[in-house]
Amino acid sequence: EIVMTQSPATLSVSPGERATLSCRASQSVNNKLAWYQQKPGQAPRLVIYDASTRATGIPARFSGSGSGTEFTLTISSLQSDDFAVYYCQHYNNGPPVTFGQGTRLEIK
Amino acid sequence: QVQLVESGGGVVQPGRSLRLSCTASGFTFSSNGMHWVRQAPGKGLEWVAVIGDTGSVDLYADSVKGRFTVSRDNSRNTVFLQLNSLRTEDTAVYFCAREYRHDNWFFDDWGRGTLVTVSS
Repeated sequence: EIVMTQSPATLSVSPGERATLSCRASQSVNNKLAWYQQKPGQAPRLVIYDASTRATGIPARFSGSGSGTEFTLTISSLQSDDFAVYYCQHYNNGPPVTFGQGTRLEIK
Repeated sequence: QVQLVESGGGVVQPGRSLRLSCTASGFTFSSNGMHWVRQAPGKGLEWVAVIGDTGSVDLYADSVKGRFTVSRDNSRNTVFLQLNSLRTEDTAVYFCAREYRHDNWFFDDWGRGTLVTVSS
C-alpha cells in the first residue's frame, strides 16, 4: 500500500497571501495524484487531478505540480472561501487508492 | 447536473448488518465505476470499495474485505453497499463517489454522505 504524507498538518495564512501544501508518496505514483478540498459537514470537492489539471469550476489561483513522489498544491492569493482541509490522493494503482491525512488551511 | 444521494445509515449494534444505497442522476450511470469512501468522525478519508460500470468487477479495502459487498442496479441508477459483521471502527460517514475516468480512481462527484454509527 502506498502511504501518502501531507505537510504541514495545519497551515495558517492571511487572506491574499500564497499557500503551499505538500504531499509525499512512499513510492512513485507517476502523475496519478489528485487534490480535494473539504469544508466542515460537506463532501470533498475535486480540485486538481493528474497532478496539475484543474477540475471543472476551480479558479485559476489553484495550481498543482510535481510527479513521482513529491507534489505541491499552491493557492496563489487566498480568498475566504479557500480555508478548508485539503487532501491528496494517489490513483496510480489499486486497490487500494490512498489519501493523505489532510492539511488544515486556516486563517491567520 | 450530477447528483448522488446516499441513504440507509443509522445506529447499529456490533455484529449486525446495514445496507447503504446511493442513487445517481444527471449522467449515464452505467458508464462509470462507482466507489464508496468513508470518513470516521474527525478523521481523514478512507477508500472502501469500487464496482465497475457493468457490475462485473468489485474490489475492497483490506479493512472491509469479506464483510462488505458492493453491488449496483443500472436499471435503477443505484449502487449499494452491504455492511455485515459491523465493528465499532466502521463508524463513519459513508460517501459514494463517481469515478471520473475509466480505471482512474479519482472522484469528481460525491454524495453528501450517510452516517453509520456502530455502538452497543
